[in-house]
Amino acid sequence: NAGVTQTPKFRILKIGQSMTLQCAQDMNHNYMYWYRQDPGMGLKLIYYSVGAGITDKGEVPNGYNVSRSTTEDFPLRLELAAPSQTSVYFCASTNRENTEAFFGQGTRLTVV
Amino acid sequence: KNQVEQSPQSLIILEGKNCTLQCNYTVSPFSNLRWYKQDTGRGPVSLTIMTFSENTKSNGRYTATLDADTKQSSLHITASQLSDSASYICVVRGFYGGSQGNLIFGKGTKLSVKP
Repeated sequence: NAGVTQTPKFRILKIGQSMTLQCAQDMNHNYMYWYRQDPGMGLKLIYYSVGAGITDKGEVPNGYNVSRSTTEDFPLRLELAAPSQTSVYFCASTNRENTEAFFGQGTRLTVV
Repeated sequence: KNQVEQSPQSLIILEGKNCTLQCNYTVSPFSNLRWYKQDTGRGPVSLTIMTFSENTKSNGRYTATLDADTKQSSLHITASQLSDSASYICVVRGFYGGSQGNLIFGKGTKLSVKP
């Protein structure tokens, strides 16, 4: 049981490049979330999913896309990287009944 | 709008001292309230979780209280240690989605414990 696994841990992108941040959980959780955390700030919700095939926008979805083809995986896609997307990205999951949320270790992304 | 406000924004205390962090929320309806510890460069890790019917919950030197009537929670840290230096985040889970999903985060309190 690995919990929530995020890859990569670090990445530097050039402006305009694309990349996918991977997130996988092995706890059979229904809910999965992507957050970004800017320095000194709280976590802001980018996208979330309540189950396979269902995704919804969070507070700051612009510039990102997600998909949820399986219960386990919830990748986050950046199509045209911009400096404003420099941040630390966290993936999290919870199940419908459980009160606990588990977080990945984060992906530190720098766009130059 | 559902909000979670934490205070103070930052706090410096000496090793061995106690401290209390505050969390006020406007989330309604309310499912549960959690306190997380986030070490620098790491993901948040759960300390306590309380439903609306619980008034207090302890986890070692951490004790959380909840007043669902006034929508206030506190996290009390006893006999602080250097390893307690971290950000402490209050998170409230609502019953519905919307643009915030069903987890609403406070901005956290940054605690520094000095020797």
